[in-house]
Amino acid sequence: NAGVTQTPKFRILKIGQSMTLQCTQDMNHNYMYWYRQDPGMGLKLIYYSVGAGITDKGEVPNGYNVSRSTTEDFPLRLELAAPSQTSVYFCASSFPIAGAATDTQYFGPGTRLTVL
Amino acid sequence: GQQVMQIPQYQHVQEGEDFTTYCNSSTTLSNIQWYKQRPGGHPVFLIQLVKSGEVKKQKRLTFQFGEAKKNSSLHITATQTTDVGTYFCAGRSNDYKLSFGAGTTVTVRA
Repeated sequence: NAGVTQTPKFRILKIGQSMTLQCTQDMNHNYMYWYRQDPGMGLKLIYYSVGAGITDKGEVPNGYNVSRSTTEDFPLRLELAAPSQTSVYFCASSFPIAGAATDTQYFGPGTRLTVL
Repeated sequence: GQQVMQIPQYQHVQEGEDFTTYCNSSTTLSNIQWYKQRPGGHPVFLIQLVKSGEVKKQKRLTFQFGEAKKNSSLHITATQTTDVGTYFCAGRSNDYKLSFGAGTTVTVRA
């Protein structure tokens, strides 16, 4: 299993440009997440999905959109890039077990995005 | 909303010494998880604590969950250079989301 894969690894955008960060997992996990990590900070949840066709906002959703048409893929869309979106973006997936209060998250390698 | 605070933010340790990092939540947690992120890498799951007062060990790492399920600690003994990185705690309440602390970044002096 490749686990969680993300593309691209690095990207530089100009203000106002748009792009899609790709995330794919091959573990058949139903839950998927997008986080951003700013320097010296923890992880902030942008959006999450509990299954295909279901998405919901996290702590910092403004400026982003997501879709979940399949179990495997969870792309993150930036429509009008702004310097404040310069960050490292991590995708993660998990398979919560009902009643077990467990949902270990498996992270992808990240996408380093710079908006100039 | 739920907040998870982690201290200290930075920990500079002499190789061979012990240290502890602490995690405190504003709300009661159903579980708490610890992750390690090496420089330039991604977070990797270390352990999960679920029960009040639970203590788990992984070699030189000891994890503890508080009695009230609102705080946790990670204690590392005999620090090695392989321990370098940022350690995050992440608390889960009664939903599917984890709230991450800001992390403790550990550097080791040989």
